[in-house]
Amino acid sequence: DVKVTQSSRYLVKRTGEKVFLECVQDMDHENMFWYRQDPGLGLRLIYFSYDVKMKEKGDIPEGYSVSREKKERFSLILESASTNQTSMYLCASSFRSLRQANQPQHFGDGTRLSIL
Amino acid sequence: SQKIEQNSEALNIQEGKTATLTCNYTNYSPAYLQWYRQDPGRGPVFLLLIRENEKEKRKERLKVTFDTTLKQSLFHITASQPADSATYLCAPRSGNTGKLIFGQGTTLQVKP
Repeated sequence: DVKVTQSSRYLVKRTGEKVFLECVQDMDHENMFWYRQDPGLGLRLIYFSYDVKMKEKGDIPEGYSVSREKKERFSLILESASTNQTSMYLCASSFRSLRQANQPQHFGDGTRLSIL
Repeated sequence: SQKIEQNSEALNIQEGKTATLTCNYTNYSPAYLQWYRQDPGRGPVFLLLIRENEKEKRKERLKVTFDTTLKQSLFHITASQPADSATYLCAPRSGNTGKLIFGQGTTLQVKP
């Protein structure tokens, strides 16, 4: 079974802090994704990566950056945390095939981040 | 812009009945569409994928239809059980992108 592990289930930080969210997958997936999930807005893609050191912006990248130094690990960085970044953050991974669209994404259980 | 619409109101049904959830999309021509289940406090879990050339797909008590003319997918759970209570997300995809666009999800509550 694919396992996607997020480093923390709950995290509380202060405004202006630099925040790191870590995600590790154990299935040698090429693709990795970071989403945030908010009531009424659903899941929104922040960044994704299709290979080591490669990244692409999603729909809401402002205020975030990412790092992918190893295939199994994808980090989300809040450069200077703000209260509007309080949210549930979900990491996902998927196998990259020639026909990518038919590969399901496997999710971690999320990090509930509160910025005070 | 691409838009995915799922009924935001919770769907409440009696155990044993068939639950039907709707996913509509606009400004979009997805080649594939996926459905996920999400339980409270957990990440989404993949259930089914249906391709544009497939009208219907089944897996045990689950059935998904895909109408590219109506730009709609229907997700059915037959003989529903309280354990089916969860939020169900649709995610149409386009072409060979690795990205998904998720609907907001519909919460299903099955009462015993």
